[in-house]
Amino acid sequence: QKEVEQNSGPLSVPEGAIASLNCTYSDRGSQSFFWYRQYSGKSPELIMFIYSNGDKEDGRFTAQLNKASQYVSLLIRDSQPSDSATYLCAVNMNRDDKIIFGKGTRLHILP
Amino acid sequence: DADVTQTPRNRITKTGKRIMLECSQTKGHDRMYWYRQDPGLGLRLIYYSFDVKDINKGEISDGYSVSRQAQAKFSLSLESAIPNQTALYFCATSLGGGEYNEQFFGPGTRLTVL
Repeated sequence: QKEVEQNSGPLSVPEGAIASLNCTYSDRGSQSFFWYRQYSGKSPELIMFIYSNGDKEDGRFTAQLNKASQYVSLLIRDSQPSDSATYLCAVNMNRDDKIIFGKGTRLHILP
Repeated sequence: DADVTQTPRNRITKTGKRIMLECSQTKGHDRMYWYRQDPGLGLRLIYYSFDVKDINKGEISDGYSVSRQAQAKFSLSLESAIPNQTALYFCATSLGGGEYNEQFFGPGTRLTVL
């Protein structure tokens, strides 16, 4: 099992709809989870982080964490064309305190 | 503004050449990292340093070496460049571990090895 898994996409979502991005991880003891957005040729930038089970909302973004299922997701409400990017899930591994990135999901918002 | 900078931003070199990529930060973070990114393979960790005296190999360190000259500077060297080292390289910093392990990235260096 890969340490951090994401569907590579592309995920196509109509403008104004909700985009749902998913991520699973293998280290059951992991406690800290991050979502980054990366535009083509640019560096990743942090969108959200989450540490506790449940939902965390920030503007149009909601991160969801379920540690029992080893699952973290990112919801983007009212999707805009500017949300078209690759979204990277990152997990702080409990065993060695390093960040492991998933390969990312490419998101296309259709005007 | 506190920042992570990388030099050069673009580099074209030939097989067998030694090159150095440099990273500087003004964030005051102890932890620094070097990643490479290839299409379809995501971000992969090359080396990381939790403080000036601590250097550790990441998942793909073969063919690379690093130097942590100061808290603010972390350099990546390719001793003898080969074409499959063509990639986008990112330096990153973080304040600490766990919930403090948000990675702050530099703008990247696009390296082409001919």
